[in-house]
Amino acid sequence: GESVGLHLPTLSVQEGDNSIINCAYSNSASDYFIWYKQESGKGPQFIIDIRSNMDKRQGQRVTVLLNKTVKHLSLQIAATQPGDSAVYFCAETGAAGNKLTFGGGTRVLVKP
Amino acid sequence: EAQVTQNPRYLITVTGKKLTVTCSQNMNHEYMSWYRQDPGLGLRQIYYSMNVEVTDKGDVPEGYKVSRKEKRNFPLILESPSPNQTSLYFCASSTHRVVGTEAFFGQGTRLTVV
Repeated sequence: GESVGLHLPTLSVQEGDNSIINCAYSNSASDYFIWYKQESGKGPQFIIDIRSNMDKRQGQRVTVLLNKTVKHLSLQIAATQPGDSAVYFCAETGAAGNKLTFGGGTRVLVKP
Repeated sequence: EAQVTQNPRYLITVTGKKLTVTCSQNMNHEYMSWYRQDPGLGLRQIYYSMNVEVTDKGDVPEGYKVSRKEKRNFPLILESPSPNQTSLYFCASSTHRVVGTEAFFGQGTRLTVV
């Protein structure tokens, strides 16, 4: 597959454990924050988003937390599975919502 | 099946030879955008389009052109490619007014300029 990053931070997780992926953002005026998953050889896949007026949002097995005080975003994956192995990116939309700025990405490796 | 289709998937070209990477979506999405992905730099937005005939620059537009003559297609044009445009390119589309939310990405185009 295509290489998406040579020196990405890596999170190794035991199958069945919970994963927490962190992201710091820079634009305090951004309206939405988004998490993507990118598997090897594929394009990014939308996971979940959160609007700036919220601090928590839950999806299926995933939870996103937003701490605007310290400009921090996190993605929690419950009961991590082998299929969760991928690179995860956070992104912010800016105040107008028409531009997307991505973070550097975190590689998640799930150990059986 | 809902999808974003990019062509070609792989392309090797020479400096200065004009090329076009096509992008087509079958979901009637209004919003489309192009990104490049480079090791150590992550994904960066090149151009985006909020609707037909409406395009605007992203963070790294230099050396690229786009057009949006019809809703489903959003081609990326490199008039005079240079080696620093060697990269992995992704097209994306979304129906949401906020870019990136519930977006669908294509499979990517690996471009090498020699």
